[in-house]
Amino acid sequence: QQQVKQSPQSLIVQKGGISIINCAYENTAFDYFPWYQQFPGKGPALLIAIRPDVSEKKEGRFTISFNKSAKQFSLHIMDSQPGDSATYFCAASKQEGATNKLIFGTGTLLAVQP
Amino acid sequence: NAGVTQTPKFRVLKTGQSMTLLCAQDMNHEYMYWYRQDPGMGLRLIHYSVGEGTTAKGEVPDGYNVSRLKKQNFLLGLESAAPSQTSVYFCASSYPGRALAYGYTFGSGTRLTVV
Repeated sequence: QQQVKQSPQSLIVQKGGISIINCAYENTAFDYFPWYQQFPGKGPALLIAIRPDVSEKKEGRFTISFNKSAKQFSLHIMDSQPGDSATYFCAASKQEGATNKLIFGTGTLLAVQP
Repeated sequence: NAGVTQTPKFRVLKTGQSMTLLCAQDMNHEYMYWYRQDPGMGLRLIHYSVGEGTTAKGEVPDGYNVSRLKKQNFLLGLESAAPSQTSVYFCASSYPGRALAYGYTFGSGTRLTVV
């Protein structure tokens, strides 16, 4: 059972456009929601993260929008650039004793065309 | 400033062979993880460790064993490789807690093919 559902599987955006990737979760105990960016041949790297006590977090061109009641969160990439072409993963975790293991979505392959 | 180093980067195994994937981190992180990445499946947690000498099962532990004898190293073993274990394996490490500014630091992966 996929605890974090991510869509779309792939996305093509023109340079300068807005890229939007969506994730949904079921477990209301999740309280930490990061996004990771992965370039080919590399490991994922933390891009931006949010806690459910805020509805939005912005860092440069990247924004997380969070809807607690709908149990959904999304990543918006403004003014998308070819250098943003990568695979993006949403994730979630909850406090379980000493652990903080992340549950990842299935990933979105983003291609930004020049 | 190496971060998380995985060896080897590529490996081809025959069905039934065994091997160990090595992960080393130099950030003094308490927590370490092994994930596998498969197309359309995302990253799935195999095993993890919250400290030296401790290990625990993740989402897909069958067919794998791990050891954390030293804080900086986390080893993933395949006792009898199967074609279903063909995947890209990622090791990661992190501090305890989930501060927004922190996250997992991933290695660059090991691409394993079992024929």
